[in-house]
Amino acid sequence: NAGVTQTPKFQVLKTGQSMTLQCAQDMNHEYMSWYRQDPGMGLRLIHYSVGAGITDQGEVPNGYNVSRSTTEDFPLRLLSAAPSQTSVYFCASSDPRTSSSTEQYFGPGTRLTVT
Amino acid sequence: GQNIDQPTEMTATEGAIVQINCTYQTSGFNGLFWYQQHAGEAPTFLSYNVLDGLEEKGRFSAGLRRSTGYSSLLLKELQMKDSASYLCAVNRPRGGTASKLTFGTGTRLQVTL
Repeated sequence: NAGVTQTPKFQVLKTGQSMTLQCAQDMNHEYMSWYRQDPGMGLRLIHYSVGAGITDQGEVPNGYNVSRSTTEDFPLRLLSAAPSQTSVYFCASSDPRTSSSTEQYFGPGTRLTVT
Repeated sequence: GQNIDQPTEMTATEGAIVQINCTYQTSGFNGLFWYQQHAGEAPTFLSYNVLDGLEEKGRFSAGLRRSTGYSSLLLKELQMKDSASYLCAVNRPRGGTASKLTFGTGTRLQVTL
């Protein structure tokens, strides 16, 4: 199993550009989440999904969209990039059907810079 | 992190023992995780506690005291590779079978010779 994969690893955008961060998992996990990590702020939840076709907002959803058309994929779209979105983005998945601890498995991250 | 407090930085010597504390708001508590994160890498799971007591895994052990909203991560026989950030995260229900993880800001541990 590849686990959780994310592409790209690095990205530089200009203000106002849009792009999609890709996330895929091959563990058949129901739950998938997107976090951003900024210095001194910890990991903050952007959006999450509890299954295909179901998504919801986390703590910091503004400026981001998600969709979940399949169990495997959970892309994160930046609609119009702003410098405040410069961050490291982590995708994570978990499955409460197989683990009572709902341990989250994290992807390697995407380092995004918006100029 | 949202109402989760842990020290920002700690330093300890190779071979020693270090304890990293985490305090959290007790409302809606449904379990506590510890993750390790090396610089430039993704967090990796260390431990999960939902009941009071100690969970031991090799050189690492995690304790929980729910009544006071307190957890601690104990690292024994420190090695240089233990230099990393240690993230405390609280699990809270958010309706149905879903739950939500809220992370602390992490404790950066530096192990020195």
